[in-house]
Amino acid sequence: QSVLTQPPSVSAAPGQKVTISCSGSSSNIGNNYVSWFQQLPGTAPKLLIYENNKRPSGIPDRFSGSKSGTSATLGITGLQTGDEADYYCGTWDSSLSAGVFGGGTELTVL
Amino acid sequence: QVQLVESGGGLVKPGGSLRLSCAASGFTFSDLYMSWIRQAPGKGLEWVSYISSSGTTIYYADSVKGRFTISRDNAKNSLYLQMNSLRAEDTAVYYCAREGLPGYGLDYWGQGTLVTVSS
Repeated sequence: QSVLTQPPSVSAAPGQKVTISCSGSSSNIGNNYVSWFQQLPGTAPKLLIYENNKRPSGIPDRFSGSKSGTSATLGITGLQTGDEADYYCGTWDSSLSAGVFGGGTELTVL
Repeated sequence: QVQLVESGGGLVKPGGSLRLSCAASGFTFSDLYMSWIRQAPGKGLEWVSYISSSGTTIYYADSVKGRFTISRDNAKNSLYLQMNSLRAEDTAVYYCAREGLPGYGLDYWGQGTLVTVSS
């Protein structure tokens, strides 16, 4: 299983807000920045959040990130059907000297 | 515009070898760290390897250590992954990605190349 733990799935209605959690340890989330990626069906992952809470150019402010201790959270407000995708958290693990990802969370917009 | 284009995937028998390439354009390739990430069919993302801008610092996932070799040619704006002793569990789409933003900011990814290991 993955070093970082995410819920397998979340769902919410259009226009609502959803949060996706990512749990790790002191060797990864606790002492390194967290990124979040969105993967639409059949496409390559896309960076949504870096350095815990920063958005790359072009990413709407409906997407937000936060970190506390050894956990991180992705928030998405004003849900749209186009947000249906898999979402992954990722970071560096200092003990493993390796990149690590969460197992991914499938978002369904009902 | 930034482009990363992978090539070299295909069908290979267990124990065989493949060399993946990633052609970069639209940015100063020699400035940035690069990574390979893979995704088995229907599964999540798995980080494979990372190489610093100069190529002097390299890391591998335990699952590929001793079998895969990452390298880069900054003069050719290209990233490579030499994969030896391939196993069925190496079957995946392989993506190259650049770390263009700090803090694990993998901001551009290629479209991926499929590697299938099967007899």
